[in-house]
Amino acid sequence: EADIYQTPRYLVIGTGKKITLECSQTMGHDKMYWYQQDPGMELHLIHYSYGVNSTEKGDLSSESTVSRIRTEHFPLTLESARPSHTSQYLCASSDLGSSSGANVLTFGAGSRLTVL
Amino acid sequence: GQNIDQPTEMTATEGAIVQINCTYQTSGFNGLFWYQQHTGEAPTFLSYNVLDGLEEKGRFSSFLSRSKGYSYLLLKELQMKDSASYLCAVNVDSWGKFQFGAGTQVVVTP
Repeated sequence: EADIYQTPRYLVIGTGKKITLECSQTMGHDKMYWYQQDPGMELHLIHYSYGVNSTEKGDLSSESTVSRIRTEHFPLTLESARPSHTSQYLCASSDLGSSSGANVLTFGAGSRLTVL
Repeated sequence: GQNIDQPTEMTATEGAIVQINCTYQTSGFNGLFWYQQHTGEAPTFLSYNVLDGLEEKGRFSSFLSRSKGYSYLLLKELQMKDSASYLCAVNVDSWGKFQFGAGTQVVVTP
């Protein structure tokens, strides 16, 4: 079954550590996104990609970086984690060429990051 | 700026109907989407409207009025498993960027 996978699901680390959140999708979608979600708040777009070698910053300022070397893989990296980075990070993908014509997002289960 | 408003929480009893309203003011409009998110899980797609009117999918229906910047999601014959957060989202451009509301937590009681 086609899906989108995020690892790790939960991560607790100390301040100053470098972390990479992994995201992979098996649907061949061109577009991939990283959202940040805090309780009771809307999803904020932090990075997106329209395809291989394409990455853009989203609306929410973020100290993270992303790469898109392969269609299926869109990792997010924090070079030096801080307590302010504590949040839920959701990866998503979409295919504008879907049969419905709608740009439906498929989300991963999320990575919950806690920085001490 | 972009703004999407929806109620924070709604409570209803099993078997009842609940209507979740969403109003939006966005720089562009390429469709309005509703997603369901259970606690600790990924949001999942429920419905999509790009033209005015009602879209029905089983127990769930969604309505859109573009001139009023308004949509609602109607949940009928509520079941306990419908307890979740419901996210209203607008696709603001043709490239696939979205603006999300903060979500409405629906609590279904026996």
